[in-house]
Amino acid sequence: AQSVTQLGSHVSVSEGALVLLRCNYSSSVPPYLFWYVQYPNQGLQLLLKYTSAATLVKGINGFEAEFKKSETSFHLTKPSAHMSDAAEYFCAVSEGTPGGGNKLTFGTGTQLKVEL
Amino acid sequence: SAVISQKPSRDICQRGTSLTIQCQVDSQVTMMFWYRQQPGQSLTLIATANQGSEATYESGFVIDKFPISRPNLTFSTLTVSNMSPEDSSIYLCSVPGGAGGRGTEAFFGQGTRLTVV
Repeated sequence: AQSVTQLGSHVSVSEGALVLLRCNYSSSVPPYLFWYVQYPNQGLQLLLKYTSAATLVKGINGFEAEFKKSETSFHLTKPSAHMSDAAEYFCAVSEGTPGGGNKLTFGTGTQLKVEL
Repeated sequence: SAVISQKPSRDICQRGTSLTIQCQVDSQVTMMFWYRQQPGQSLTLIATANQGSEATYESGFVIDKFPISRPNLTFSTLTVSNMSPEDSSIYLCSVPGGAGGRGTEAFFGQGTRLTVV
């Protein structure tokens, strides 16, 4: 069974400050890990994914995440927050099975607020 | 990435009625997934829609309540039956990325925001 824990349901940062959203996972097999963003009244947009290649993954909008097996973590970061980054962010895990790994287990989400 | 269209985008329904949500994809995919996002909560997988066979439901979800059709490789419907206010949620369709839907990531439609009164 897989699970994802996102620490902090709400995170607030100042514009220009570092964004750090935490995600820890549990999986009995090598996982695929994802970060999605959801803007108000919209669907989910894929930010980035880890699929056992490079442990530091770069995504869209300046976000990146680092897979740390020893810590079972996949934290999302962005060096400098922008007002447009305000949204809800979901970490998700799936079994590392190509073509079959799309059944996702989601974390509870982190609402990011960016203040002037 | 796949282009996914969901209809309707939102609806307000009376309790006891049913609503059918449609999901259309611009490319053929082997599997399609239906998720539910209850207010203020995360996404929960309802079922996997398989073309040519019955859908596979996750624990806590049953076919009588959420019948699914998958007539071809680009289309699926989810029906929410005999609705109650507890069914008020966003329902999202999802498909795998990559050629033929064999990628590792999932793409989502815009969702259907359902309110049951």
